[in-house]
Amino acid sequence: DADVTQTPRNRITKTGKRIMLECSQTKGHDRMYWYRQDPGLGLRLIYYSFDVKDINKGEISDGYSVSRQAQAKFSLSLESAIPNQTALYFCATSDPGTGSDAGYTFGSGTRLTVV
Amino acid sequence: DAKTTQPPSMDCAEGRAANLPCNHSTISGNEYVYWYRQIHSQGPQYIIHGLKNNETNEMASLIITEDRKSSTLILPHATLRDTAVYYCIARNAGGTSYGKLTFGQGTILTVHP
Repeated sequence: DADVTQTPRNRITKTGKRIMLECSQTKGHDRMYWYRQDPGLGLRLIYYSFDVKDINKGEISDGYSVSRQAQAKFSLSLESAIPNQTALYFCATSDPGTGSDAGYTFGSGTRLTVV
Repeated sequence: DAKTTQPPSMDCAEGRAANLPCNHSTISGNEYVYWYRQIHSQGPQYIIHGLKNNETNEMASLIITEDRKSSTLILPHATLRDTAVYYCIARNAGGTSYGKLTFGQGTILTVHP
């Protein structure tokens, strides 16, 4: 099984619909992140969470919300999807380590299309 | 995060070493050099990171110049599965840092049979 699992892998939804993207991890990491990737724009941070009671906005949180249901689960919701939220979405985890984090572990991504 | 500069593309023959350069001339003393790669539309994959010493793991080696203004990622025996976009990132990776990973354009590495 993958360390970071995202569901669904692909989703097409209509404008105005609510949609949830789910992420679960088996790394045992406290830190979890949601990113979106658009062609030519690299990764942009949407939300991040350092533990179950900690939720923080990233660069582009408008139009999104998150829920950290447990250490291993971090869900991203689009309350009312719009076409410019069409993108590839990634969940990631990290462990801060003792001096530097040992990199981020990413899921395989969810390709979301809003029509 | 310090700005990094990488060549847009490189080719490598299968079985040969792939040497991917990265310039980070404005890197500060507490910023680490990280390398990730992304195979088409898959999640980015962490490869290696270092501060000032050379590093090696099961995937690659990282050579950082003494002045830390540039580095080279070495894949010692490239395979077709190493074809990907490789990203070099200079970032503060201490315990209080958070996930603002700034991926530039990266280097498209193509490994040929």
